[in-house]
Amino acid sequence: SAVISQKPSRDICQRGTSLTIQCQVDSQVTMMFWYRQQPGQSLTLIATANQGSEATYESGFVIDKFPISRPNLTFSTLTVSNMSPEDSSIYLCSVDSGSWLAGETQYFGPGTRLLVL
Amino acid sequence: AQSVTQLDSHVSVSEGTPVLLRCNYSSSYSPSLFWYVQHPNKGLQLLLKYTSAATLVKGINGFEAEFKKSETSFHLTKPSAHMSDAAEYFCVVSERDTGRRALTFGSGTRLQVQP
Repeated sequence: SAVISQKPSRDICQRGTSLTIQCQVDSQVTMMFWYRQQPGQSLTLIATANQGSEATYESGFVIDKFPISRPNLTFSTLTVSNMSPEDSSIYLCSVDSGSWLAGETQYFGPGTRLLVL
Repeated sequence: AQSVTQLDSHVSVSEGTPVLLRCNYSSSYSPSLFWYVQHPNKGLQLLLKYTSAATLVKGINGFEAEFKKSETSFHLTKPSAHMSDAAEYFCVVSERDTGRRALTFGSGTRLQVQP
């Protein structure tokens, strides 16, 4: 399994500001994913990030609001831009653990709890 | 498109009694199915997964699930609930055959275990 860390673990931000969340994996992985979990809700995929290419965003999420970087095979960042209270959520990064075709699954980081005032 | 429906938002059981958390899926392709658990203020943990091998899947902490293609179901069960099982449980689907590796989460079932 992969060990994933995220920074910060939590933050309180003012509306209109931006926050960059970091995701670090202890092994090289092809694909990384960013999810959002709004209060009391399930997880929703924001985007998929491949190293060396532009992230692929899901419907309802745009690059200007959630720019993502993937500079190497062990690291990614998600920025939440021009924040509003509606962005208050837990943001989670996840990775494939190994051979996807062999049925390996995804592992999740501990999440970043964001509160926007 | 794939989707997952968790039929109960809340389930309450007494300690020592069986647990049943229901999940139905919709998928155009052969799905991979998972159950994840999220304890309060903790990260997501994989309980078990089905990826086209045995239809009865055993996971951690005594949980198991049975893939029933005819019923498009993947219900999670445990013979005897423990207080530590109280958490949020997510049924999750993925369509490996399409190459789409992202996961689609159900809405979650909150399990309460009464002493």
